[in-house]
Amino acid sequence: AQSVTQLDSHVSVSEGTPVLLRCNYSSSYSPSLFWYVQHPNKGLQLLLKYTSAATLVKGINGFEAEFKKSETSFHLTKPSAHMSDAAEYFCVVSSASGGSYIPTFGRGTSLIVHP
Amino acid sequence: GAGVSQSPSNKVTEKGKDVELRCDPISGHTALYWYRQSLGQGLEFLIYFQGNSAPDKSGLPSDRFSAERTGGSVSTLTIQRTQQEDSAVYLCASSLSWETTIQPQHFGDGTRLSIL
Repeated sequence: AQSVTQLDSHVSVSEGTPVLLRCNYSSSYSPSLFWYVQHPNKGLQLLLKYTSAATLVKGINGFEAEFKKSETSFHLTKPSAHMSDAAEYFCVVSSASGGSYIPTFGRGTSLIVHP
Repeated sequence: GAGVSQSPSNKVTEKGKDVELRCDPISGHTALYWYRQSLGQGLEFLIYFQGNSAPDKSGLPSDRFSAERTGGSVSTLTIQRTQQEDSAVYLCASSLSWETTIQPQHFGDGTRLSIL
């Protein structure tokens, strides 16, 4: 079985300040983890992925995430928020759980960026 | 290259009518997924196709929902006798293979379905 928990439904930051979006997961197998971003009325776009290589993963638009097995976490960070970062962010876990590779999505975190 | 294409982008229909939603995946992608996203909610898995294998229908909420994928490419999600609780955004995604531990999913912009 696998699951993912996004710890905050909303995160509000000021432009130019750091962003932290928290994600915890559980998986019976070695998981792969992803972060996707969804802007209004759009589909989801891949930000970055962890697939058992380097634990610090760099993605697009200055985002990065660190896989911490001991904490079962995969938090998303960005040093300086931009207005265009305002969107919904989804943490996703995928593993060979029960022979199925269907990913499990978190409920999403809405990032609000104030000028 | 074209991404995942979904049509229509918006659909408004009366309760009790049938609707068909279309998904055209990225060429060469063998895996195709349908999800439902209700307002303020995460993504709810509906159905998954992989190549010529039997689809995984474990997420379909009722027998009013069905989907097919013709020729390993285009997929159609059909909802019969629509109910107001079916109102949501229906998202389609494709990936290069079933190994979603390696291959990310590519999403279309969705179909926004409103049941009056």
